[in-house]
Amino acid sequence: DIQMTQSPSSLSASVGDRVTITCRASQGISNYLAWFQQKPGKAPKSLIYAASSLQSGVPSKFSGSGSGTDFTLTISSLQPEDVATYYCQQYKSYPITFGGGTKVEIK
Amino acid sequence: QVQLVDSGGGVVQPGRSLRLSCAASGFTFSRHNFHWVRQAPGKGLEWVAFMSYDGSNEYYADSVQGRFTISRDNSKNTLYLQMSSLRTEDTAVYYCTRARSGYDFDAFDAWGQGTMVTVSS
Repeated sequence: DIQMTQSPSSLSASVGDRVTITCRASQGISNYLAWFQQKPGKAPKSLIYAASSLQSGVPSKFSGSGSGTDFTLTISSLQPEDVATYYCQQYKSYPITFGGGTKVEIK
Repeated sequence: QVQLVDSGGGVVQPGRSLRLSCAASGFTFSRHNFHWVRQAPGKGLEWVAFMSYDGSNEYYADSVQGRFTISRDNSKNTLYLQMSSLRTEDTAVYYCTRARSGYDFDAFDAWGQGTMVTVSS
């Protein structure tokens, strides 16, 4: 199975800050990488697919990059509505696996 | 608009069975693959099962292989998860998720609201 490791597990940043979350796969997954946002008590929301493509309706302040084993999710200017847990996921092979999540809070 | 409505959760004793449903609307159901994903209380996301657009292909997590069965009825626009021999560790919110296409390795793009399954004596 492909292991997905996210860092940090949590972060606290100020409104307007640029926030970066990293995700590392235990083996190469090309660009079969997705990012999800989950707000407390809600279902996850799909943000990015194919490592860097935005899902329909997702604001452009979210961006993704990377290929192979190392990936990043960036929020260009953190806002209170971005408080959530963010998960990466590989869909290169089954079983599909998720990272452990990064909890983002406002300082 | 795309809508996925999960239902069928509840409280069940260990060893018993339960069937979850996901009713889809707002798109052509038969053109998309689907998955079930679960989340234990306070934990992260865990992929559970996959079914192809035409029902010809399915995959399972090792943790549910042999106990859970995914199925779909394209005439009813509904996805199912039959869960048998339930264990306390199966306690979670279960989400139906849609893949972007009928290709086996494509991203998720829509989620149901989830249905809670509690396995307890």
